[in-house]
Amino acid sequence: EVQLLESGGTLIQPGESLRLSCAASGLDFSSNAMSWVRQAPGKGLEWVSAISGSGGTRYYANSVEGRFTISRDNSKNMLYLQMSSLRAEDTAVYYCARSSPLVRVFGEVPNTGGMDVWGQGTPVTVSS
Amino acid sequence: DIVMTQSPDSLAVSLGERATINCKSSQSVFYSSNNRYYLAWYQQRPGQPPKLLIYWAFTRESGVPDRFSGSGSGTHFTLTISSLQAEDVAVYYCQQYYSPPYTFGQGTKVEIK
Repeated sequence: EVQLLESGGTLIQPGESLRLSCAASGLDFSSNAMSWVRQAPGKGLEWVSAISGSGGTRYYANSVEGRFTISRDNSKNMLYLQMSSLRAEDTAVYYCARSSPLVRVFGEVPNTGGMDVWGQGTPVTVSS
Repeated sequence: DIVMTQSPDSLAVSLGERATINCKSSQSVFYSSNNRYYLAWYQQRPGQPPKLLIYWAFTRESGVPDRFSGSGSGTHFTLTISSLQAEDVAVYYCQQYYSPPYTFGQGTKVEIK
């Protein structure tokens, strides 16, 4: 069974930094793109960032570009989100999810699309 | 950025009746080289993470009941629940994964009438 388990969420003050982790099991981790998605209290889903299986391709939402860094350690089956200069509006539950490939290959149809496996989420509260 | 707009924001449907949710993308999410729409639908029940229902706009994820179906073309897409069940009470989101940032619609809340 494929499982994702996020950790690292906490109460933190504005301007500080925090690293979230996502432990993956039951999948060929290095072959899968991964994403972070967040959900502010009572709000909808917001895609935050994605990384290819090799780590060579990374994308970010405009709202976090330059402040957040996504990375992965394929030897440990771990996904990370380094968050800096945190703001009150970054308060949310952060989910990691397995994603379809980030790079389109001419004529190829990936086995799946969208984000098919999700963790339970880890809450981040940015407040003084 | 591609903007995804869902309608309605909420709807109440009687048990056993049809529920229809619409999603419009501000740009095409169609990749002609593989003839696929890069459009997914998710269900989020209260207190739960999202669950993938439909991908490539029409393909039902394994294990998803066949009362859920996706349709559409161009920039207009629809999620249909053919016969609403009590367990379908949730918020539903569309998402494009064609071009980053991979934007979501604002969500549609489905309730029982």
